[in-house]
Amino acid sequence: AQSVTQLGSHVSVSEGALVLLRCNYSSSVPPYLFWYVQYPNQGLQLLLKYTTGATLVKGINGFEAEFKKSETSFHLTKPSAHMSDAAEYFCAVSRTGTASKLTFGTGTRLQVTL
Amino acid sequence: GAVVSQHPSWVICKSGTSVKIECRSLDFQATTMFWYRQFPKQSLMLMATSNEGSKATYEQGVEKDKFLINHASLTLSTLTVTSAHPEDSSFYICSAATAGTMLNEQFFGPGTRLTVL
Repeated sequence: AQSVTQLGSHVSVSEGALVLLRCNYSSSVPPYLFWYVQYPNQGLQLLLKYTTGATLVKGINGFEAEFKKSETSFHLTKPSAHMSDAAEYFCAVSRTGTASKLTFGTGTRLQVTL
Repeated sequence: GAVVSQHPSWVICKSGTSVKIECRSLDFQATTMFWYRQFPKQSLMLMATSNEGSKATYEQGVEKDKFLINHASLTLSTLTVTSAHPEDSSFYICSAATAGTMLNEQFFGPGTRLTVL
């Protein structure tokens, strides 16, 4: 069984400040890990993913995440927050292999203030 | 990139009626499609997985007779909510994936908001 824990359902940062959204996973097999962003009343957009290889993954909009197996973590970061980053962020895990089910975390709402 | 559409984007219906939601992969063939349900301010819960040409696999607790899923072609899957009730009101999101995709990526539709009066 796989699971994802996102610490902090709500994170607020000032514009220009560091963004850190936490994600820890549990998986009995090597996982694939994903971060998605959801804007109000919209579907999910993939920010980045880790499958194999380099543990530091760069995504769109300046986001990156680092896979740390020893800590079972996949935290999402961005050096400088922008107002347009305000959204809901979901961490997800799946098994290796094609078209496998995604298990989502409960989500973190990012608020960016002036 | 891969584009997935959903229709309608929103629907309001009376209690007891049935509603069909379409999910289409516009520029690729989707051998597998997933249907999720999202309640306000909550995460996505997988309802079922459908493979083209075969019966959908439902997650535990999801009524297959209430949520009918058809995946008749490689570009279209439909979710029909039968005899809808107010508690079925939710945001329904589909995703699509292609066999042979080594990166195991699902492409998500924009979602359909269902309101049952």
